[in-house]
Amino acid sequence: QKEVEQNSGPLSVPEGAIASLNCTYSDRGSQSFFWYRQYSGKSPELIMFIYSNGDKEDGRFTAQLNKASQYVSLLIRDSQPSDSATYLCAANTGGFKTIFGAGTRLFVKA
Amino acid sequence: NAGVMQNPRHLVRRRGQEARLRCSPMKGHSHVYWYRQLPEEGLKFMVYLQKENIIDESGMPKERFSAEFPKEGPSILRIQQVVRGDSAAYFCASSPGGQGKDTQYFGPGTRLTVL
Repeated sequence: QKEVEQNSGPLSVPEGAIASLNCTYSDRGSQSFFWYRQYSGKSPELIMFIYSNGDKEDGRFTAQLNKASQYVSLLIRDSQPSDSATYLCAANTGGFKTIFGAGTRLFVKA
Repeated sequence: NAGVMQNPRHLVRRRGQEARLRCSPMKGHSHVYWYRQLPEEGLKFMVYLQKENIIDESGMPKERFSAEFPKEGPSILRIQQVVRGDSAAYFCASSPGGQGKDTQYFGPGTRLTVL
């Protein structure tokens, strides 16, 4: 059973701090990885995707991928209360199915 | 460029009725995915379709659920004889290519409530 695991949280950080969200995946053949943000009652919204080992930065967001450790993370710098949401990690093995984690709830305290 | 569209946004059905959920992909996308999300849970893959073809339905319950994506018109997820356990948010996503690095974009979802 291919799985994507995330700590359900909640993860609570003060405004302005760095929020670190982590994800592990079981299928070593996974090739592409995605981070989505989902506000309560809303649909998932794509934040970033990453395919290669290392870091990928986009504004306040940095995705990190370590295929040897089967580990993906998302760093949010200068966290804002508006970043409070559930963050979903997803992995695709190159086939048709993308596997989603259950999500980590993030609270940013003003 | 319009995003993924789903309707209805909210649907209430009584046990035993049928539910039809519609999804129109983003312009230029020919691949559609359906997911179900129970409260406080993650997204569960149900089915992947291309125009007129079901590519992967490994996440679909064996009974009462069906999906189609006709040559013309939206993709439809159909649930026959609904039960209370079918109450959930159903999300549709679309992508341009359908494999590997292809990115999926989600619609607003349909919230199904079964009374």
